[in-house]
Amino acid sequence: QKEVEQNSGPLSVPEGAIASLNCTYSDRGSQSFFWYRQYSGKSPELIMFIYSNGDKEDGRFTAQLNKASQYVSLLIRDSQPSDSATYLCAGGWVGGFKTIFGAGTRLFVKA
Amino acid sequence: DTGVSQNPRHKITKRGQNVTFRCDPISEHNRLYWYRQTLGQGPEFLTYFQNEAQLEKSRLLSDRFSAERPKGSFSTLEIQRTEQGDSAMYLCASSFPSGVQTYNEQFFGPGTRLTVL
Repeated sequence: QKEVEQNSGPLSVPEGAIASLNCTYSDRGSQSFFWYRQYSGKSPELIMFIYSNGDKEDGRFTAQLNKASQYVSLLIRDSQPSDSATYLCAGGWVGGFKTIFGAGTRLFVKA
Repeated sequence: DTGVSQNPRHKITKRGQNVTFRCDPISEHNRLYWYRQTLGQGPEFLTYFQNEAQLEKSRLLSDRFSAERPKGSFSTLEIQRTEQGDSAMYLCASSFPSGVQTYNEQFFGPGTRLTVL
């Protein structure tokens, strides 16, 4: 059974701080990982994906992947109140179609 | 707007009734997915289409659920004899055409929120 695990939170950080969101996965065959942001009552919005070990940066967001530890993280620099949302981690397979989602971590950024 | 669209956005029905939802994917996407999401959980995979072919259906999905994508464009999800446990957000997503190296980034529609009374 392929699983993606996230701490449900809530994670609370002050405005301007770095928010660190973590995710672990059970299937070593997982090769691509996605971070989605979901505001309350809305659908998930793709932020980033990563498939190579190391870091991938896009603006204020950095995704990190460690395949040996089966660990994925998302760092949000200079956190803003508008970043307050649930962040979903998901795992997939290159050339495959199925994506398994974690339950999400709720993030609150305090002004 | 060239994103994924879903209709209706909200549906309230009585237990035992049938409901049908529609999804229009991004036009150049040949992959289409249906998910169900309940409060506090991530999206749960229901079924997947590549063009008009339904390639996988979740074992968690009862026979009351059926999905179609007759011309490889829009898709419909029908729930027969609805139960209160079917109340959830039903999400549709689409992704880029398959290739040698695709990472299957999925783009979601706004969802249809179903309430079964």
